[in-house]
Amino acid sequence: GDSVTQMEGPVTLSEEAFLTINCTYTATGYPSLFWYVQYPGEGLQLLLKATKADDKGSNKGFEATYRKETTSFHLEKGSVQVSDSAVYFCALSDPTGTASKLTFGTGTRLQVTL
Amino acid sequence: GAVVSQHPSRVICKSGTSVKIECRSLDFQATTMFWYRQFPKQSLMLMATSNEGSKATYEQGVEKDKFLINHASLTLSTLTVTSAHPEDSSFYICSASGLPISYNEQFFGPGTRLTVL
Repeated sequence: GDSVTQMEGPVTLSEEAFLTINCTYTATGYPSLFWYVQYPGEGLQLLLKATKADDKGSNKGFEATYRKETTSFHLEKGSVQVSDSAVYFCALSDPTGTASKLTFGTGTRLQVTL
Repeated sequence: GAVVSQHPSRVICKSGTSVKIECRSLDFQATTMFWYRQFPKQSLMLMATSNEGSKATYEQGVEKDKFLINHASLTLSTLTVTSAHPEDSSFYICSASGLPISYNEQFFGPGTRLTVL
């Protein structure tokens, strides 16, 4: 079945550092890929997405490129801020027509310090 | 657009009582809603998928009689935790999907924290 593997956290960075959170996937079809962010005590918010190979999703300074050849969707940000501290989830959905299930990675906690 | 609300945001109840959590899509018609459970510092576990007007499809290991899901309209789904016990304490999150927003993207509610004493 489909699966998503994320790097284990927590990731602790100083403000303005470069961020990479690795995400790889296995899927039988051509999934859409997502990054969600969860702030403490809140639900998930969509951060960015990509629906086909070589697409780059971007939002709020975060970027991720859909790499079919390496089955990866790594999240990057050039300069993190304290306000970016949260848990980040990589996910995929199988585009087989109607609204389909999301398969989540285990989440990576990011802690940004001054 | 694509706002999903949940009510209540927090609930504390006594063991043995039932608790109902509402999930509403505010600006689109949610043909499909999903219910997740999240344990502390863990990922989301899909509990069930519900399509409007149909019975919910439960994931393996989720008790249908304990977690009752109703999706009677295109904007409302409810999760009722029946005879709640302390081990049911968790963070419950719903999500919704439907046209014309997107058929394969889910929009998440803010979650409901359930504490069973």
